[in-house]
Amino acid sequence: AQKITQTQPGMFVQEKEAVTLDCTYDTSDQSYGLFWYKQPSSGEMIFLIYQGSYDEQNATEGRYSLNFQKARKSANLVISASQLGDSAMYFCAMREGWEANSKLTFGKGITLSVRP
Amino acid sequence: NAGVTQTPKFQVLKTGQSMTLQCAQDMNHEYMSWYRQDPGMGLRLIHYSVGAGITDQGEVPNGYNVSRSTTEDFPLRLLSAAPSQTSVYFCASSYSYTGALNQPQHFGDGTRLSIL
Repeated sequence: AQKITQTQPGMFVQEKEAVTLDCTYDTSDQSYGLFWYKQPSSGEMIFLIYQGSYDEQNATEGRYSLNFQKARKSANLVISASQLGDSAMYFCAMREGWEANSKLTFGKGITLSVRP
Repeated sequence: NAGVTQTPKFQVLKTGQSMTLQCAQDMNHEYMSWYRQDPGMGLRLIHYSVGAGITDQGEVPNGYNVSRSTTEDFPLRLLSAAPSQTSVYFCASSYSYTGALNQPQHFGDGTRLSIL
């Protein structure tokens, strides 16, 4: 079974509107962390936001926020006031377990295109 | 502060050739890892290390070797290149300690490798 599922193959949003990118995860660990990364067409991987399994508040970083629903095992990324520069591939990833050698597992990614 | 530096950025090899992808970080991170990115597959972990002298296999280790003689460097070796190893390779690093769930991995810019 996939640990991280991102099923939206491609998303389109109008500039200045908000968009939600879906991510569901599968783990039996009580301790885990969820990350979102952005990969623009230039190819680099940019860390956006983190949510811990014990965090009671949804994470926010500027225009990025995370809609964390622990019981449903979902961690959707919300981008508010979309900009043309938000057009990119977005990856959800999870790190499981408290150990120092815990690994990061990525989903397959979602392509977001922002229309002017 | 250079972060994670990967060399080369591009490489073309013939089947059966060997080569080493270099990765260096200057953030004193204990954890270093190599991923490959293929279309529609997300990022898949090849090998990782939690410190000098310690390496372990990830999801897709076959055909690749690693070593970690220093904290800064984590080279990836292809001993006999195959067309199936055509991919974009990313090196990443982060802090590593028990409970380091919230530590994001910092990525290099990637190496685009083609095997003919």
